[in-house]
Amino acid sequence: DLVMTQSPLSLPVTLGQSASISCRSSQSLVYSDGNTYLNWFLQRPGQSPRRLIYEVSKRDSGVPDRFSGSASGTDFTLTISRVEAEDVGFYYCMQGTHWPWTFGQGTQVEIK
Amino acid sequence: EVQLLESGGGLVQPGGSLRLSCAASGLTFTNYPMSWVRQAPGKGLEWVSSISETGTYTYYEDSVKGRFTISRDNSKNTLFLQMSSLRAEDAALYYCARCLGTCRAGMDVWGLGTTVTVSS
Repeated sequence: DLVMTQSPLSLPVTLGQSASISCRSSQSLVYSDGNTYLNWFLQRPGQSPRRLIYEVSKRDSGVPDRFSGSASGTDFTLTISRVEAEDVGFYYCMQGTHWPWTFGQGTQVEIK
Repeated sequence: EVQLLESGGGLVQPGGSLRLSCAASGLTFTNYPMSWVRQAPGKGLEWVSSISETGTYTYYEDSVKGRFTISRDNSKNTLFLQMSSLRAEDAALYYCARCLGTCRAGMDVWGLGTTVTVSS
């Protein structure tokens, strides 16, 4: 199975500052249809996961534009600009290119 | 508003069986592939299984292949996960989730989950 490696696993951030989470794949995530299926989810405490970003950089409806996704080869980054209190939780990347689809270990974002 | 409501979780002995259900509302159910994703206590997310819009195609994570069966009843807007030969490592909160377009792009709507406990 393709292992998705997230870093850091814990990320204390200051309100109003930016934060970045990395997700690294050992293989290319470009699928045969030309799309790159790297997605990001947020799971707030006590809640179900919510998709934030799909296909590297496409933001879901209702997701603030403070959230952005980018890629450089097999390295993917989720950036949160101007962190707010509601951004606290676990962030997971997920690849849907190679079978079976796999999630990263999760990154816990907390407020300093 | 799209809602997914899971049910059927509970306590089962190792080797036992359980059938999870997911009732969908607020959407044209037959238009969407669906998935089950689980989360063991204190752990991360693990994709379990997906099914195409009509149920023709099904996909399973290796550890559940041959033991779990995903299915759907589009006339009743319901997704199922039949689980058999359950193991301690299958204990988790099981989420039902909708895929928009393709499950490769992840799941855009999630239920609240139903808890499966495997213990003697």
